[in-house]
Amino acid sequence: DTGVSQDPRHKITKRGQNVTFRCDPISEHNRLYWYRQTLGQGPEFLTYFQNEAQLEKSRLLSDRFSAERPKGSFSTLEIQRTEQGDSAMYLCASSLGYNEKLFFGSGTQLSVL
Amino acid sequence: KNEVEQSPQNLTAQEGEFITINCSYSVGISALHWLQQHPGGGIVSLFMLSSGKKKHGRLIATINIQEKHSSLHITASHPRDSAVYICAVLLRETSGSRLTFGEGTQLTVNP
Repeated sequence: DTGVSQDPRHKITKRGQNVTFRCDPISEHNRLYWYRQTLGQGPEFLTYFQNEAQLEKSRLLSDRFSAERPKGSFSTLEIQRTEQGDSAMYLCASSLGYNEKLFFGSGTQLSVL
Repeated sequence: KNEVEQSPQNLTAQEGEFITINCSYSVGISALHWLQQHPGGGIVSLFMLSSGKKKHGRLIATINIQEKHSSLHITASHPRDSAVYICAVLLRETSGSRLTFGEGTQLTVNP
């Protein structure tokens, strides 16, 4: 257990539905990251937060994706109008700060049917 | 061409063998991470390097900044070392904390 928890572990949804994932980072970590990983590939950066501020977003994060980190604690990643191409493992990680060791959650596996 | 290249993509070894996984990158970096991913998705950070060499148990990681190359070594490999090993770099040009990942090396250690 790395101390970063993600919920749910698995999500199966139908195309067009909205889904929301949650990440609870290690409590004193002010940086929180979202990554997406498809089978056989390394993770790809989606977005990151410094406390409650979303400081960077990848071009991968289309307007159907939104992430929040209210009060700089847990974070949510919402995907609206899901598409089959959204099927992937969504990983959350946290760190104390810039260039610090990352701690990853176990991920949420999304399957869009 | 990926900014981070790992080799080999797949590696099968017998228990007890010395294992080397390589990572090359094409741009200036602030740091390099070696990560281990087990089936089911969980990723564990093994090392973070900006220069030289680090050792933890049977694992050794080295980095050569001039050659833009890092290696992860496993001594006396064991079946429980079977996992995907991922190299990730923090690019120097990036103002944030975006990590760029290699595609991973699938290691299988047979008893």
